[in-house]
Amino acid sequence: DAGVIQSPRHEVTEMGQEVTLRCKPISGHDYLFWYRQTMMRGLELLIYFNNNVPIDDSGMPEDRFSAKMPNASFSTLKIQPSEPRDSAVYFCASSFFKEQFFGPGTRLTVL
Amino acid sequence: AQTVTQSQPEMSVQEAETVTLSCTYDTSESDYYLFWYKQPPSRQMILVIRQEAYKQQNATENRFSVNFQKAAKSFSLKISDSQLGDAAMYFCAYRSAPLITQGGSEKLVFGKGTKLTVNP
Repeated sequence: DAGVIQSPRHEVTEMGQEVTLRCKPISGHDYLFWYRQTMMRGLELLIYFNNNVPIDDSGMPEDRFSAKMPNASFSTLKIQPSEPRDSAVYFCASSFFKEQFFGPGTRLTVL
Repeated sequence: AQTVTQSQPEMSVQEAETVTLSCTYDTSESDYYLFWYKQPPSRQMILVIRQEAYKQQNATENRFSVNFQKAAKSFSLKISDSQLGDAAMYFCAYRSAPLITQGGSEKLVFGKGTKLTVNP
């Protein structure tokens, strides 16, 4: 298996623009997670899905953030409009039982 | 809410020596999992080792082992025979074990991390 796939790996955008991050989980995994990593706050969970259904979105910072999982093999995290404080590394992870396997992350820079 | 604390922002070790990274956590749950993840400069998060709270035996994976003290809520990572490739950020993480219907959660709660430098 190729592991968790994220795209793009790097994204540079201007404030106010819409940003869409994409994730393909490991085949057969029934949980999908979105995390954000910043120097100030460390690694924090934004939202997670079980069998494509959002279970906990309490970490989503505000209404500018939205996440979807239309099927078992694809998820998106959208920021609209983006702000400089959204600059961070965004990780997608998937799991089937105990361990979560992480993708390579997307480094987002909002100018 | 559960919290994870890593009190050592940075550590260094000589190649071939042994180093121990500290982690403490706070929870009211009796059943849970603890993990150590490694994040090298490539930023890929790599699982190093896992410990189930109900197991008294400390987990071991090759040169990596843990000292799990449930009563003290302590979960340290020992790296033996350190290698240059061990240089990375190390994160301790907590996850509930109970089912979501029983109040559990699948989310990982991370510590702030410890930056490990390995000197040749």
